[in-house]
Amino acid sequence: AIRMTQSPSSFSASTGDRVTITCRASQGIASYLAWYQQKPGKAPKLLIFAASTLQSGVPSRFSGSGSGTDFTLTISCLQSEDFATYYCQQYYSYPYTFGQGTKLEIK
Amino acid sequence: QVQLQQWGAGLLKPSETLSLTCAVYGGSFSGYYWSWIRQPPGKGLEWIGEINHGGSTNYSPSLKSRVTISVDTSKNQFSLKLSSVTAADTAVYYCASHLSSGLPSDWGQGTLVTVSS
Repeated sequence: AIRMTQSPSSFSASTGDRVTITCRASQGIASYLAWYQQKPGKAPKLLIFAASTLQSGVPSRFSGSGSGTDFTLTISCLQSEDFATYYCQQYYSYPYTFGQGTKLEIK
Repeated sequence: QVQLQQWGAGLLKPSETLSLTCAVYGGSFSGYYWSWIRQPPGKGLEWIGEINHGGSTNYSPSLKSRVTISVDTSKNQFSLKLSSVTAADTAVYYCASHLSSGLPSDWGQGTLVTVSS
């Protein structure tokens, strides 16, 4: 199975900050990479697919980049509603796998 | 927009079979994929498997011997069965639907399943 590793596992930031989360795949996955946001007690929400395509309705302050093995999720100007846990997921090959998550907390 | 409503038993004893059902509302049932994903308390997401509109399934190798995902197109529902559960299967289980394989875009509300003697 392809292993997905996110960094950092958690960090603190302030409203208005620009933040970047990294996801690395254990082997090349082209651009078959998605990002999800999850808030406590809620189901994950798809933010980005195909590494950089914004899901309909997702604010433009979210962006994704990368291909192959290295990917990033950037939030350009943190809003209060963005404090959550973020997961990357590869859908290049079965079994589909998720990163361990990055918890973004308020500083 | 597709909406998913899931249900099933929330408390099981070891060795019993977990059974969850997910109903799909508001969208065409054809052409979709349907998945199950779980999340142990305080932990990350684990993909269980998916079924497509043609009935073809793919499962996580770690669960393959115990899991069955099926679809009932007449009821716009799909189901998960996981046999011989243990405490390690305690998790919130989510159903999801999507137009592309492996890319859950619409999710159910989640069901906490606890396995305890």
